[in-house]
Amino acid sequence: KNEVEQSPQNLTAQEGEFITINCSYSVGISALHWLQQHPGGGIVSLFMLSSGKKKHGRLIATINIQEKHSSLHITASHPRDSAVYICAVRRSNYQLIWGAGTKLIIKP
Amino acid sequence: NAGVMQNPRHLVRRRGQEARLRCSPMKGHSHVYWYRQLPEEGLKFMVYLQKENIIDESGMPKERFSAEFPKEGPSILRIQQVVRGDSAAYFCASSPPNKAPNYEQYFGPGTRLTVT
Repeated sequence: KNEVEQSPQNLTAQEGEFITINCSYSVGISALHWLQQHPGGGIVSLFMLSSGKKKHGRLIATINIQEKHSSLHITASHPRDSAVYICAVRRSNYQLIWGAGTKLIIKP
Repeated sequence: NAGVMQNPRHLVRRRGQEARLRCSPMKGHSHVYWYRQLPEEGLKFMVYLQKENIIDESGMPKERFSAEFPKEGPSILRIQQVVRGDSAAYFCASSPPNKAPNYEQYFGPGTRLTVT
């Protein structure tokens, strides 16, 4: 079993829908990252969380440390949100353990 | 403030040649990390460097791969005698000289290496 599991692996939705991507982990962590990767493109860090909830524009990230679970939400989704969303957890050191990513396609 | 820069963005090498990938961290950042993303796979940690020091290279293949981060200039990931299995996207990230364990990593655009 992977230490970081994301679901779903693939998600297709219509423009305007509310999107939820989940991340579960099985190890102790000091922080959790959500990142975005566009096809053929680089990686953009969206959030770094160690507790609670963060919001940036239409993106919301939450984490429940007791349940070892985090969610990334996108409100009013748009085709430009189409990308791979990656969850990565940081152990007590600097290393990031990466999830496999969720490929999101938003159709107009 | 320029972000993390990597060059080249795309690199094609024949089997047996050497590949040199460069990473210039964000201004003021002294920690550099290299990650590799194989096709259809997630990212994997390779090496963590501070200026003139390799802190952790536990993710580096034992042979043919080396990394450095000199006092002046970019960090270099060097792959000698490349093989087809080295074809991947190589990402560099940097973080500031913060002693706390929760400092954020800022990623470069990646170098896509293709070995023919």
